[in-house]
Amino acid sequence: AQSVTQLDSQVPVFEEAPVELRCNYSSSVSVYLFWYVQYPNQGLQLLLKYLSGSTLVESINGFEAEFNKSQTSFHLRKPSVHISDTAEYFCAVGGSGNTGKLIFGQGTTLQVKP
Amino acid sequence: ETGVTQSPTHLIKTRGQQVTLRCSSQSGHNTVSWYQQALGQGPQFIFQYYREEENGRGNFPPRFSGLQFPNYSSELNVNALELDDSALYLCASSLELAGADTGELFFGEGSRLTVL
Repeated sequence: AQSVTQLDSQVPVFEEAPVELRCNYSSSVSVYLFWYVQYPNQGLQLLLKYLSGSTLVESINGFEAEFNKSQTSFHLRKPSVHISDTAEYFCAVGGSGNTGKLIFGQGTTLQVKP
Repeated sequence: ETGVTQSPTHLIKTRGQQVTLRCSSQSGHNTVSWYQQALGQGPQFIFQYYREEENGRGNFPPRFSGLQFPNYSSELNVNALELDDSALYLCASSLELAGADTGELFFGEGSRLTVL
């Protein structure tokens, strides 16, 4: 069975500071890993994903995540956050074989303060 | 290109009633997945429909059922509503099954159901 644990429910940070949102997963099979972002009153949007290849993946708005198989982690980082990054972030695991089933973590609220 | 649209956006029902939620897929997408997001929780997979057939199901009882139509729009039906069914219901579409598995899911804004 697959599961995802997001270690922080809320992460307050000041604007322009670095941030890390932590995600650990468990799976007995090869996995695909994702980070989704949910802005207030909106649906989820894919932020970045790891399917194979390079373990460091990047998004277009400056976020990056590194797949660490030995530590079963997929932490999300950004070197300098903006007010507009305030949102709920969800880590998810998939790859269970064309069932469309993604397993989501409970989410981390990133609160960027001026 | 239109995105995923869901209706209604909000609704209130009482325990024991039945509800139907609707979803229009993103143009060209033939796969629809439904998720339940309780307050303060991550989304939980309910089921997926591909070409009008249920393709996978999460840990939800049979009173949660669905349909997918030839135009790939979809419905989620919940019978005998319980208080714990109060949640945001999210629909997500993808281009083919592989798109869903590789995270290329496009989510709607959801239907918020309150059961009193």
